[in-house]
Amino acid sequence: AQSVTQLGSHVSVSEGALVLLRCNYSSSVPPYLFWYVQYPNQGLQLLLKYTTGATLVKGINGFEAEFKKSETSFHLTKPSAHMSDAAEYFCAVSAFGDMRFGAGTRLTVKP
Amino acid sequence: EAQVTQNPRYLITVTGKKLTVTCSQNMNHEYMSWYRQDPGLGLRQIYYSMNVEVTDKGDVPEGYKVSRKEKRNFPLILESPSPNQTSLYFCASSSSGTVSYEQYFGPGTRLTVT
Repeated sequence: AQSVTQLGSHVSVSEGALVLLRCNYSSSVPPYLFWYVQYPNQGLQLLLKYTTGATLVKGINGFEAEFKKSETSFHLTKPSAHMSDAAEYFCAVSAFGDMRFGAGTRLTVKP
Repeated sequence: EAQVTQNPRYLITVTGKKLTVTCSQNMNHEYMSWYRQDPGLGLRQIYYSMNVEVTDKGDVPEGYKVSRKEKRNFPLILESPSPNQTSLYFCASSSSGTVSYEQYFGPGTRLTVT
């Protein structure tokens, strides 16, 4: 079975600072990994995904994530935070159609 | 526009009064699922369906029912709602043609049971 652990339920950064949201996964088979973003009062929107191939994955809104098999990690980063990045972020792992989500990390961006 | 729709978006009801939350997708996806989102717990899967007439329990199925009579629709039924089912519910769909099963989410239904 798969599982996801997101380190830090709340992360606060200043506008223009680096964003780093941490995600570690557990999977008995090669995983597919995802980051979703949820803006207030909205559903989940896919930011990026890793399936196979290049381990550095670029997504929308300047976000990227790197799949590190040896560390079982899939951390999300963005070089420079913007106020509009304030949202909740979910890491997810999928295998054979079974998708499991982390508890989420709420990102606050301070002016 | 490709989308997953849910209705209603907001619902306040009383304990024991049966309700149904509808979910529909227009992407011809085989796979559909229901999640509930609670603070600090992320999204937990309630039920999923691999195709028409094929459904199975997720992690938190107690108190819920589903049916999949048509490919596009996957309603969630609470036959006797209780206050612990107050939550934010999401329907999602994906195509079995994509090995990653990337899921597309509806806008959510906020349910309050008093």
